[in-house]
Amino acid sequence: AQTVTQSQPEMSVQEAETVTLSCTYDTSESDYYLFWYKQPPSRQMILVIRQEAYKQQNATENRFSVNFQKAAKSFSLKISDSQLGDAAMYFCAYRSMEGSQGNLIFGKGTKLSVKP
Amino acid sequence: DAGITQSPRHKVTETGTPVTLRCHQTENHRYMYWYRQDPGHGLRLIHYSYGVKDTDKGEVSDGYSVSRSKTEDFLLTLESATSSQTSVYFCATRQGSNTEAFFGQGTRLTVV
Repeated sequence: AQTVTQSQPEMSVQEAETVTLSCTYDTSESDYYLFWYKQPPSRQMILVIRQEAYKQQNATENRFSVNFQKAAKSFSLKISDSQLGDAAMYFCAYRSMEGSQGNLIFGKGTKLSVKP
Repeated sequence: DAGITQSPRHKVTETGTPVTLRCHQTENHRYMYWYRQDPGHGLRLIHYSYGVKDTDKGEVSDGYSVSRSKTEDFLLTLESATSSQTSVYFCATRQGSNTEAFFGQGTRLTVV
């Protein structure tokens, strides 16, 4: 079974600075998807970024980028130029490409605080 | 964003009573999921559906049942609510194998 581990329950960053959230996962599969979701206090789950395992290039979405290390099974999220609106819970998630289930397997989350 | 509506948004119920949560989608997505979110656990899969009347269990399915009689509706039922089922429940939908999952707003359920 696949597992996702987020080792940082809480992180803090100064506004305009850069922060990196860590995520590791365990799987025996070679093809899969990885995601970062943001959950602000509104509780809405918002997709931040997605990475296909077969792509070597790291995904980037504006101020958000990932460092995907397939061999190390590591998938960290870098937030550049942090803004107050980035304060939220961040979840790393895995989804298999095999089978019909297609559900997400989540880490326990990292609570990010942004200091003005 | 996909049109996903969960109802109710908040509910307080007593131990032993039946509870049904509804997820309604307007995007004609094939796959639908129910997750629960608890502090220190992230989101965990309860049940999922891969088509009308096609459902299966997830990681934490004990005490829950689901039904999907129409593409747009996925119901989660707690036959006899317990305090351990106090949680935030999320519905999610997905169209195909290479598509994103979209989430509803969540339902906060408190069992007293």
